[in-house]
Amino acid sequence: DTGVSQNPRHKITKRGQNVTFRCDPISEHNRLYWYRQTLGQGPEFLTYFQNEAQLEKSRLLSDRFSAERPKGSFSTLEIQRTEQGDSAMYLCASSTRGTESSYEQYFGPGTRLTVT
Amino acid sequence: AQSVTQLGSHVSVSEGALVLLRCNYSSSVPPYLFWYVQYPNQGLQLLLKYTSAATLVKGINGFEAEFKKSETSFHLTKPSAHMSDAAEYFCAVSLLFGNEKLTFGTGTRLTIIP
Repeated sequence: DTGVSQNPRHKITKRGQNVTFRCDPISEHNRLYWYRQTLGQGPEFLTYFQNEAQLEKSRLLSDRFSAERPKGSFSTLEIQRTEQGDSAMYLCASSTRGTESSYEQYFGPGTRLTVT
Repeated sequence: AQSVTQLGSHVSVSEGALVLLRCNYSSSVPPYLFWYVQYPNQGLQLLLKYTSAATLVKGINGFEAEFKKSETSFHLTKPSAHMSDAAEYFCAVSLLFGNEKLTFGTGTRLTIIP
C-alpha cells in the first residue's frame, strides 16, 4: 500500500492554457474524490467516482473542468482555459465502500496549481 | 445540507498545555464527523472519526473528540501539547448514508509555544 499519489506536485501555467492532473488511488479503493483547497480555506468537494462512474459533480465544477476515471483506477482532472481564480491546491482522495471504513477517505499530497 | 463551523482560525497553546479545537456541525440527518490534520504543503491525514458508535472517540497522536448531539459539537482535545502538533486542523462532516463527500470547516491553525 503506497498511498494515494498525485502528479505533478506543482504546476505553473499561463492564463488560458489547459492543464491536466493525475491521481492514482490506493489499489483496492473503488471510490475516488477530487477537492479544491484555496489559501486559508478548507477543501471543497468537486466530484467523485465509484469505479468508472462519476456519481456527483459540485456546482464549483464549471464546464471548463472535466474529470475522468476511464478504467476505474487512476483519474485525471483537466482544466481548460485556465483563469487566475483556478490557482489552488487540488486534492485527490480514495476510499472503499461497503464497510464502516468506507467513511474514511485517504488523501494524496495534492497538486498545487499557479496560474499567472 | 450539512456544514461545520470551526471557532477560532488560530489557536496558540504552550507546550504541555491542553489543546482544545472547537467544531460545531449542522446536519439534517445523523452525521459522520471527522478531524483531519494538514502539515505544510502536504495532504490531509485522518486523526479520528465518529460513525455513530461510541461518543468519545480516540485517535492518533493522543487526540480525542467527543460527539455531543445536544450541543451539535465535536471538539478536538489533547491533554498535553507537543511541538510536533503544530499544524492546520480541519473538522469535516458527511451524511450517514449514501453521499459520502466531505464538507470541511475553514480550519484552525495550531501554534505551539515552547
